[in-house]
Amino acid sequence: QVQLEQSGPGLVKSSETLSLTCGVSGDSIRSYWWSWIRQPPGKGLEWIGFIYHDGNTKYNPSLRGRVTFSIDTSTHRFFLVLRSVSAADTALYYCVRGGEFDAFNIWGQGTMVTVSS
Amino acid sequence: VVTQSPDFLAVSLGERTTINCRSSQSVFYKSNKKNYLAWYQQKPGQPPRLLIYWASIRESGVPDRFSGSGSGTDFTLTISTLQAEDVAVYYCQQYYDSPPTFGQGTKVQL
Repeated sequence: QVQLEQSGPGLVKSSETLSLTCGVSGDSIRSYWWSWIRQPPGKGLEWIGFIYHDGNTKYNPSLRGRVTFSIDTSTHRFFLVLRSVSAADTALYYCVRGGEFDAFNIWGQGTMVTVSS
Repeated sequence: VVTQSPDFLAVSLGERTTINCRSSQSVFYKSNKKNYLAWYQQKPGQPPRLLIYWASIRESGVPDRFSGSGSGTDFTLTISTLQAEDVAVYYCQQYYDSPPTFGQGTKVQL
């Protein structure tokens, strides 16, 4: 059974960098695309982008220039880095299985990230 | 853009519940005859759970009281007889176009 385990700090200062990790177990990280999705408090869901095992990425234009994904197939983990954060980046961040043309059937537990001033 | 209606729904136990989702463009892909539309259920403190994909295919383990229908731009999620555990927020998602986008959510409460 595929599981996604998220880790990373829950508090980031404004203008600094947010970094999150997602570990994949129960399936090969090479078999699928992997995405990040976020949900601001009390709001809806926003797809941030995806990464494939070969390092191919695509990002939501709304975040282009500030976000970078990476992947380490040897440790079955993929990563999100979001630079120059502001209060608007305060959200619950999820790692999920699937790419831009997929329904998302496996979700991590979520990491609440608060950007403080 | 994907728009759901209504935003809120108050339903009695055992009642039939219908949530609508409209896409600003067709999500039907002619080459494979599939509608790129999914439905999710989110309960408080939990990540969303995939209920329906390809507009009408139930995900494994999802109770058969949940069904999806529609094609092109207009879709419906139906809960045939509402159970207490179905109280949640429901989202539709189009994955025909990039970036994939979600509706604003429909909150179902008793």
